[in-house]
Amino acid sequence: DAGVTQSPTHLIKTRGQQVTLRCSPKSGHDTVSWYQQALGQGPQFIFQYYEEEERQRGNFPDRFSGHQFPNYSSELNVNALLLGDSALYLCASSLQQGGTQYFGPGTRLLVL
Amino acid sequence: AQSVTQLDSHVSVSEGTPVLLRCNYSSSYSPSLFWYVQHPNKGLQLLLKYTSAATLVKGINGFEAEFKKSETSFHLTKPSAHMSDAAEYFCVVSDYGGRRALTFGSGTRLQVQP
Repeated sequence: DAGVTQSPTHLIKTRGQQVTLRCSPKSGHDTVSWYQQALGQGPQFIFQYYEEEERQRGNFPDRFSGHQFPNYSSELNVNALLLGDSALYLCASSLQQGGTQYFGPGTRLLVL
Repeated sequence: AQSVTQLDSHVSVSEGTPVLLRCNYSSSYSPSLFWYVQHPNKGLQLLLKYTSAATLVKGINGFEAEFKKSETSFHLTKPSAHMSDAAEYFCVVSDYGGRRALTFGSGTRLQVQP
C-alpha cells in the first residue's frame, strides 16, 4: 500500500517564476491538505481540497492556488515566486476532512 | 482560535533515561491533539493522537501522552530514550474533533546522548 507521494523532491526556481508541485494521496484517501514548512519552523497550513473544491484556507496570498483531480491527486501552484517562498512543501492526505492526516516526504523548493 | 505552545525548543537526554516533551494548547471547541515526529530529511510521521476517548494515549515506539483539560496540556513521554528517537517533535491541535486544519507548534528538537 503506497503512502502519500510527492513530486518533484527538489526544485530550484528564480524570483518571479511560477511552480507546480504534485501530490498523490494514500490509497483510499479523498482529502488533500498542503503545508509550508520554512527552515526551523513548524508546518503552516495553506489549504485543503475535498471533492475537488478548496474547503479551508490558511493565511496565504492568492499567489498560492491549487487543484484536486477526480482521482483525488492534487497540485499546488505558486505564482510570482518570492525569496521567502523557499521552504519544504508538505502534502497530507486523509479520509474525509476530519480524518487523521498522513504526510508525504515533501518537495523542497529553493527560490534564488 | 486554536494554537499550541511547545515549551522547550531543545531537549537533551541520555540514552536509557526518560523523555518529557511539553506542550500546552488553546482550543475553542472539542480539540483533537496529535504528536508528529520528523527525522532529518524525512516527512512527518504520526506518533499518537487524542480524540476525546481515553485521556492517556499510547503511540508507536513506546511513546505516550496524557490529555489534561484542566491544565490544557498534552505532554509527550517515553520511559527510556533510544538513539533512534533523536528527531524534531511537533505538537498539533485541530478543533471540532479534527475537522479544522492542523495547527503545529514550533517543534522540540530531541537529542539523545550515548
